[in-house]
Amino acid sequence: EDQVTQSPEALRLQEGESSSLNCSYTVSGLRGLFWYRQDPGKGPEFLFTLYSAGEEKEKERLKATLTKKESFLHITAPKPEDSATYLCAVQGTGGTSYGKLTFGQGTILTVHP
Amino acid sequence: EAQVTQNPRYLITVTGKKLTVTCSQNMNHEYMSWYRQDPGLGLRQIYYSMNVEVTDKGDVPEGYKVSRKEKRNFPLILESPSPNQTSLYFCASSLIGNNEQFFGPGTRLTVL
Repeated sequence: EDQVTQSPEALRLQEGESSSLNCSYTVSGLRGLFWYRQDPGKGPEFLFTLYSAGEEKEKERLKATLTKKESFLHITAPKPEDSATYLCAVQGTGGTSYGKLTFGQGTILTVHP
Repeated sequence: EAQVTQNPRYLITVTGKKLTVTCSQNMNHEYMSWYRQDPGLGLRQIYYSMNVEVTDKGDVPEGYKVSRKEKRNFPLILESPSPNQTSLYFCASSLIGNNEQFFGPGTRLTVL
């Protein structure tokens, strides 16, 4: 069974204070690892897909990295508008269908001005 | 505008009264999926569909039904809702082979 654990559950930062969110995963084979952002009262919004260890993707102040056991979402010099819940999800290959996704519980990020 | 729509957005109902939550996308996506989101449990997949007439169970399918008769629509059916199905429900869609899922705005369901 695929499993995803995100840490910390909540993170408070000052504007400009860089940090990282962690996503640890267990799958028998990784098709893809995904990061989403969710604002209060809205549906998740896609950020990145990572497919293999060593891969990195960047978008504005966000950078996602992947190893064989975990992924990090690095936030550089965050701004208050980066405040949101960040969700990690995996799609495995081992005995599961292509369409099955497993999400972590998310990290609630708050950036204070 | 490319979007996923869900209706209704809010629903309060009683135990045992059959209900349907509709989901529609205008992006010609093959893949559609339903999730529920609960505090402390995160997003959990209920059912998904790879194309018309092709559906499969996610992690929490019990008490739910789906159908995919048209490419754009993927309704979620609760034939006999119970209070433990009180939750926030999201529909999502994507192209096959492209894992960028587009999510709808959510349906908040309360079963009394």
